[in-house]
Amino acid sequence: GAVVSQHPSWVICKSGTSVKIECRSLDFQATTMFWYRQFPKQSLMLMATSNEGSKATYEQGVEKDKFLINHASLTLSTLTVTSAHPEDSSFYICSARGRGTPSLRAQYFGPGTRLLVL
Amino acid sequence: QQQVKQSPQSLIVQKGGISIINCAYENTAFDYFPWYQQFPGKGPALLIAIRPDVSEKKEGRFTISFNKSAKQFSLHIMDSQPGDSATYFCAASRRSNFGNEKLTFGTGTRLTIIP
Repeated sequence: GAVVSQHPSWVICKSGTSVKIECRSLDFQATTMFWYRQFPKQSLMLMATSNEGSKATYEQGVEKDKFLINHASLTLSTLTVTSAHPEDSSFYICSARGRGTPSLRAQYFGPGTRLLVL
Repeated sequence: QQQVKQSPQSLIVQKGGISIINCAYENTAFDYFPWYQQFPGKGPALLIAIRPDVSEKKEGRFTISFNKSAKQFSLHIMDSQPGDSATYFCAASRRSNFGNEKLTFGTGTRLTIIP
């Protein structure tokens, strides 16, 4: 149990366009979802935390108008990178925690989405 | 006080040997300590986790040792195999009543198992 999927796994877009990344919990109810960004050979940087039905809480330095997060249901969260620029190119990973998982405190991660902005 | 320091940055171990990765934390409010394994281009996968009321937890070839007084914990991989070659992250968190318990990650250790 505790499977998290992300779609797409790869996305290439032109500068100025918006990109939406989906994160789904496949076999449990994700009461809390997290979005991370990871640069090559670096650790995970938390961008925001969202509880189902509530507005996301963004980490300091993360532009909430740039990275729109929606957690509309217990199985789906979306991250929209608005007006993407080359500096937004990165590996974006979601994680989820919730009921029906082996550990209520563990975060279970998706496979990640690699975004390349040209 | 929110940092988790991880060492070494990289580690090369011979097949069959023991891989040891260490982490230290400062925030005594942390009460949950997971380890994650990440392969290139993939998301991290939960390996094993421990709470501070136990000093050791073992799952297969993976063991966490926890020293509460020293505020340190370590991951031991016994009989290391080439398939264990990956980046390992330690993490820590403290319980939150508001459902937004966040993980503080270490900087990662790139483990390479050589034949």
